[in-house]
Amino acid sequence: AQKVTQAQTEISVVEKEDVTLDCVYETRDTTYYLFWYKQPPSGELVFLIRRNSFDEQNEISGRYSWNFQKSTSSFNFTITASQVVDSAVYFCALVRGNNRLAFGKGNQVVVIP
Amino acid sequence: NAGVTQTPKFQVLKTGQSMTLQCAQDMNHNSMYWYRQDPGMGLRLIYYSASEGTTDKGEVPNGYNVSRLNKREFSLRLESAAPSQTSVYFCASSPEGTREQYFGPGTRLTVT
Repeated sequence: AQKVTQAQTEISVVEKEDVTLDCVYETRDTTYYLFWYKQPPSGELVFLIRRNSFDEQNEISGRYSWNFQKSTSSFNFTITASQVVDSAVYFCALVRGNNRLAFGKGNQVVVIP
Repeated sequence: NAGVTQTPKFQVLKTGQSMTLQCAQDMNHNSMYWYRQDPGMGLRLIYYSASEGTTDKGEVPNGYNVSRLNKREFSLRLESAAPSQTSVYFCASSPEGTREQYFGPGTRLTVT
């Protein structure tokens, strides 16, 4: 079965604090892709990152960083020094066959000024 | 380059009415998808089309039909709308090889 679990539903942080979003996935495939998407209050889905199963390097992009650990089937996302504009729902997703995405239920991040 | 466009943006239907949600992409992508998003559920795949002329069911296909009219367009039809189909519908497309999906802005549908 292909499954993505994002256990924390809503996370509130004070501006400038760091926040980490956990993503745990299940798949029988040896080759797969993981994604993070951001959905701001305006509703559109914004692509943040793609990681394939052969590349376990962590990645940093500005205040965003991702920690991929194949051994624990996790692909966690950290926002450093959060800002109010980071308030959004963040989705972790796993690509299955035929490019079909399986989404987690999302993490609602609220950054309090 | 408009990317993925969806019409309409908002729609209210009465139970039993039918309608078609339209989706088009101008990126020459082969694969296209329809998802629905419900509170606390993430996005769930309704139908997808790997190429022009082919369609396949996703996780929640009941109550929907799709048509891949050509490479650009992928429409979703509700034949007899039900309140359980109240949702936000997203269309997406994907080029070969990258696995990345590009999403449209969504259609907010309410069935009363």
